[in-house]
Order: sequence, then C-alpha cells, then structure tokens
Amino acid sequence: EAQVTQNPRYLITVTGKKLTVTCSQNMNHEYMSWYRQDPGLGLRQIYYSMNVEVTDKGDVPEGYKVSRKEKRNFPLILESPSPNQTSLYFCASSSTVFESGLGKNIQYFGAGTRLSVL
Amino acid sequence: AQSVTQPDIHITVSEGASLELRCNYSYGATPYLFWYVQSPGQGLQLLLKYFSGDTLVQGIKGFEAEFKRSQSSFNLRKPSVHWSDAAEYFCAVGPPAGGGNKLTFGTGTQLKVEL
Repeated sequence: EAQVTQNPRYLITVTGKKLTVTCSQNMNHEYMSWYRQDPGLGLRQIYYSMNVEVTDKGDVPEGYKVSRKEKRNFPLILESPSPNQTSLYFCASSSTVFESGLGKNIQYFGAGTRLSVL
Repeated sequence: AQSVTQPDIHITVSEGASLELRCNYSYGATPYLFWYVQSPGQGLQLLLKYFSGDTLVQGIKGFEAEFKRSQSSFNLRKPSVHWSDAAEYFCAVGPPAGGGNKLTFGTGTQLKVEL
C-alpha cells in the first residue's frame, strides 16, 4: 500500500530537548516536504526536498532542520524546541507524472504528528 | 506572492442539504488546484484536483468543484451532505508544470452537519 508514514504520532516534550520526527514514503517519490498546521493559519511549508541531498527552506523554516540522505526518508529535526513550535506537523511526498505532455503532481500526506512543547 | 482565501471559517448545514465551500486564489498564472479534507484526528485526504481541461471536476465522496478563471475561484460543492462529511476542508494551489511541487493552503473551512 502506498503511504507516507510519520512517527511518532503524538509527542510531548520540554523546551530545549532535541527531537526528531521521522517521515518515510514507499512510493519512490523525489519530492518531500514538511508542513505545520496551526488554527486559523492552515498549513504552512517548513522545508522541502527535491531529491536526495537537495533541501531548501519553505515559508517558516526557523527553528527546524531537515536532511535527505535516502530517497524514502525525510526527518524533521528540532534542535532546541520552544513552545511556539507546538503544532500539528505533516510530511508529504509527491512525484511529477507526465500525461499528454502535461506534468501533474499530487502530494500524499502522512497522518500527522501532534507536538506539544512545554 | 500566491495566496488562497477561504472566506468561511465555519459552515453549518443540515444533513441532506446542499453545500458550497468557497475558495479564491491569487496566483501569477493558472495554478494547479486541489481540495483536501481532514477528518477529526486524521491526516489530509485528497478530494479532487484540477490540472487543465474541463473546468468541472469530480472527486471522491460525491464532491465536485468548478474552476472559474475569471473569478480566480475553485468552489467545492456537494448536492446532499451526509453526517460523515463533517470535517475541515482545505483548498490549495500549486505551481503549474515545471514550477515545483509546493502547495499553498487556505486557512480551512470547518463543516458541521446537523442531523
């Protein structure tokens, strides 16, 4: 079954304690991305990766790190979490498929990780 | 910069009634358009998408959406709502072919269904 798997699903931590949220996809997608969802703000992109060893900042990258050493994995790292990083996090992956000369891409989302930083 | 506006934060409809959720976007070119649904405690599920061609697109669960270029809109509709449709709905835009994969989301519309 095609899927994007995030772990953990729920995490409570304290300010300053480094943590990693893992993301893995089994669809051989080149593109992966992290979003955070906050009430009234929708989803905002944190970081994205176009392929292995290629990452770049999204709209709200401050306080986060990512790496892409393997195609299937794209972990999100919070080196020193702060309470304003309390949020719901989603990992997504996609690939561009060409049909009738038109490149189409659809993003598939993981189930989300609810993080609370105390 | 691209943006997506979902003007209705909350909508309440009776079961069996019709539904329309509004979405307007601002983008330099005609973007790819998507509607996602998020049920309580769940991830995001793709309802439907528009890339090109027929401006009325059909999706899963009986939903449809119409792309209107002149109004920069991509409203979501359903003729008869079921109680299980209660969820949060997100409209999103993405760059057309070759422009990358980043999605820009609206702030969401929370749908409540009264029995």
